Amino acid sequence: DTEVTQTPKHLVMGMTNKKSLKCEQHMGHRAMYWYKQKAKKPPELMFVYSYEKLSINESVPSRFSPECPNSSLLNLHLHALQPEDSALYLCASSRLGVRDTIYFGEGSWLTVV
Amino acid sequence: SQQGEEDPQALSIQEGENATMNCSYKTSINNLQWYRQNSGRGLVHLILIRSNEREKHSGRLRVTLDTSKKSSSLLITASRAADTASYFCATDSPYPPGGKLIFGQGTELSVKP
Repeated sequence: DTEVTQTPKHLVMGMTNKKSLKCEQHMGHRAMYWYKQKAKKPPELMFVYSYEKLSINESVPSRFSPECPNSSLLNLHLHALQPEDSALYLCASSRLGVRDTIYFGEGSWLTVV
Repeated sequence: SQQGEEDPQALSIQEGENATMNCSYKTSINNLQWYRQNSGRGLVHLILIRSNEREKHSGRLRVTLDTSKKSSSLLITASRAADTASYFCATDSPYPPGGKLIFGQGTELSVKP
């Protein structure tokens, strides 16, 4: 089973809302990632968690707040977003890091209105 | 910043033909991964090739890696309409801990029946 599950698949939120994106994997992977992808562009790294600790933050604005409650779950808390934050948000995981195969979920489509 | 550049940006072929996509990168790598993305969906992992490998096969896919030229190619043989998708190469960056996976700009492949 090489599945990374993301919920919700689609989310529409206002600029004053607070919402969360969720990601789950049961492959025993110890590295988890959040990527953002705009239309017709490659995915861009946002955050990396390694052994449940935040190891890389690519200077992401504080309106995006990641959380790793345990080794299987990764959340992305959203607050006071801007319309330009509308994108596909992809979660991924790998056994230990980027030297291993990285598996992606189907993504969450976010629209900020 | 993006590590990889892909060529061509778009490729249109007839079913049954072979498709070749190229990827160039800038810094030393441990491995290079190829992904497929159908429109609006998540990324599907195709092949991981390590820096000490020159060629790998998986079904109709053949990947080569030339570390001296900092380039890789993905060959899809006997293409099918279902191969229509965007294809991305991704390289790991020498950035501990956990590391980064950095994507190229991608090639849009269209296979016409």
